[in-house]
Amino acid sequence: DVKVTQSSRYLVKRTGEKVFLECVQDMDHENMFWYRQDPGLGLRLIYFSYDVKMKEKGDIPEGYSVSREKKERFSLILESASTNQTSMYLCASSSADRVFFGAGTRLSVL
Amino acid sequence: QKEVEQNSGPLSVPEGAIASLNCTYSDRVSQSFFWYRQYSGKSPELIMSIYSNGDKEDGRFTAQLNKASQYVSLLIRDSQPSDSATYLCAGGTTDSWGKLQFGAGTQVVVTP
Repeated sequence: DVKVTQSSRYLVKRTGEKVFLECVQDMDHENMFWYRQDPGLGLRLIYFSYDVKMKEKGDIPEGYSVSREKKERFSLILESASTNQTSMYLCASSSADRVFFGAGTRLSVL
Repeated sequence: QKEVEQNSGPLSVPEGAIASLNCTYSDRVSQSFFWYRQYSGKSPELIMSIYSNGDKEDGRFTAQLNKASQYVSLLIRDSQPSDSATYLCAGGTTDSWGKLQFGAGTQVVVTP
């Protein structure tokens, strides 16, 4: 089975903190994604990466950055966390166009 | 207009009945479509994919795609309480291979 592992299920951070969300996949997939999910808004793409060190902005990249130094690992960085970044964050990887999701990280920014 | 649109629900369905979910999409969405099921507090899981016009059946699930009208639907036959979840419609984008656009999801509640 494909496994996409997110390092934390729940995180609580303070406004202004730098936050790292880590994601690892074990299927040698080229593509990896970070989405956020909010009630009534569905899943919105923040960033994606189609190869090591390659990244593209998604629909809502403002306030976020990403890092992909190794194929299996894709990190989402909140440079200076704000309360409007309180959300569920989902990492995903894909083979062809089949997307597999991690369990999600529920981030609260106080 | 959003790339992928769904009614948010909730869609209340008696146990044993057919649940019918609909999704429309814009020109920015390509010809591959997916239905994901998401239980409360869990991540989405893929239940159906469809690429061609017409119907595709898998167990109690049937996906229907109509490219001319730009809609895709999901039927759940013999609905069970375990089908109570949010169903997300997603389509591949024309500008970037492997990227999906998601609808906001339709909540389905199956009542015993």
